[in-house]
Amino acid sequence: DTGVSQDPRHKITKRGQNVTFRCDPISEHNRLYWYRQTLGQGPEFLTYFQNEAQLEKSRLLSDRFSAERPKGSFSTLEIQRTEQGDSAMYLCASSARQSSYNEQFFGPGTRLTVL
Amino acid sequence: AQSVTQLGSHVSVSEGALVLLRCNYSSSVPPYLFWYVQYPNQGLQLLLKYTSAATLVKGINGFEAEFKKSETSFHLTKPSAHMSDAAEYFCAVSGGNNRLAFGKGNQVVVIP
Repeated sequence: DTGVSQDPRHKITKRGQNVTFRCDPISEHNRLYWYRQTLGQGPEFLTYFQNEAQLEKSRLLSDRFSAERPKGSFSTLEIQRTEQGDSAMYLCASSARQSSYNEQFFGPGTRLTVL
Repeated sequence: AQSVTQLGSHVSVSEGALVLLRCNYSSSVPPYLFWYVQYPNQGLQLLLKYTSAATLVKGINGFEAEFKKSETSFHLTKPSAHMSDAAEYFCAVSGGNNRLAFGKGNQVVVIP
């Protein structure tokens, strides 16, 4: 088991551009979560999936953000028309039914810098 | 809704001294509580968790935490700090809906 992986690890973009991040959860983990962490803060919940269904979205997830998990395996998070305020670390986590979903395993994160 | 308060963003501790990080939570339902550690440019690693079993929870790397319902606290301790403990530590709470609410974190500096 290789753990949760995220790609890319770093992304620098110009304001107004679109970016897409990918998360591969631990295999057989059917829940997948996205969090955002800004400098000096703890992670904040964005959204989560159970299999391919997106079950909850935070108010932080504006219309410019969209997340998908089309086959219930990997997930993508897209940010359209990026703004400087989108600069943050985007963390993905997964959890399994066997642990009653209580333990979330985190990936290394994608650090986004919007210039 | 659930929330966590961690006071004192930076904590300095001498090598070999006690590490104590405070966490107070608020939850409208019986909480699940977690401590995570984050090293620079890395994701979060689970140190330990409380899920309504034993109130004294032992985790990895010699850390432990005690759940005190009367004080709504879940403080993290380690008897003797090691240089490798220098990292950022986050307390988190879940109310069973599986979204984690994190505190702002404590940056631990270990002084040789």
